[in-house]
Amino acid sequence: SQQGEEDPQALSIQEGENATMNCSYKTSINNLQWYRQNSGRGLVHLILIRSNEREKHSGRLRVTLDTSKKSSSLLITASRAADTASYFCATDVGGGSQGNLIFGKGTKLSVKP
Amino acid sequence: DAGVTQSPTHLIKTRGQQVTLRCSPKSGHDTVSWYQQALGQGPQFIFQYYEEEERQRGNFPDRFSGHQFPNYSSELNVNALLLGDSALYLCASSLVGSSYNEQFFGPGTRLTVL
Repeated sequence: SQQGEEDPQALSIQEGENATMNCSYKTSINNLQWYRQNSGRGLVHLILIRSNEREKHSGRLRVTLDTSKKSSSLLITASRAADTASYFCATDVGGGSQGNLIFGKGTKLSVKP
Repeated sequence: DAGVTQSPTHLIKTRGQQVTLRCSPKSGHDTVSWYQQALGQGPQFIFQYYEEEERQRGNFPDRFSGHQFPNYSSELNVNALLLGDSALYLCASSLVGSSYNEQFFGPGTRLTVL
């Protein structure tokens, strides 16, 4: 079963605009991770936020985590055509000891030049 | 630094056949996890191997089995293939004892069952 649910399912924006994707989950987590996938290929790890963190930045990425609402958001600023991909949130409920990741269904982002 | 590699890239099988997929983890990693990703869905955890043993298993039937070798590489075997087994199979590696469960994924094997 899938714990995370991304919203929206699909997002289309113009180059230079910001893209915001949301993720909700059901159970307590150790950390939450965001991945990118291009055209049904392998997943690329973007950023990890621990359960005791509220916000994290990495380049043009900003992730927030609200454990009280069991939700997270991923913001991509100044988007580029190369950001076109599917984005997945994944929760780690394994207590940091190599538990399996539980993925949502993803948000398909299209950035038009 | 070699990343996670998987073979083959694509595979076509017919119902009832058996298939073996292979994965080599990222250099320095000792744990391998397998995921199945159906079209339009997120990856679903199949199982995880560490020290040549299955540590965790997701909700997949016994037709799905695996193996890990002393060099940490791994195989995923699926017997009695069904049409519904058509999917992208992803291998991910990680290092036990690391503070966070950051997994590095391979490019995947696209399995088509006819």
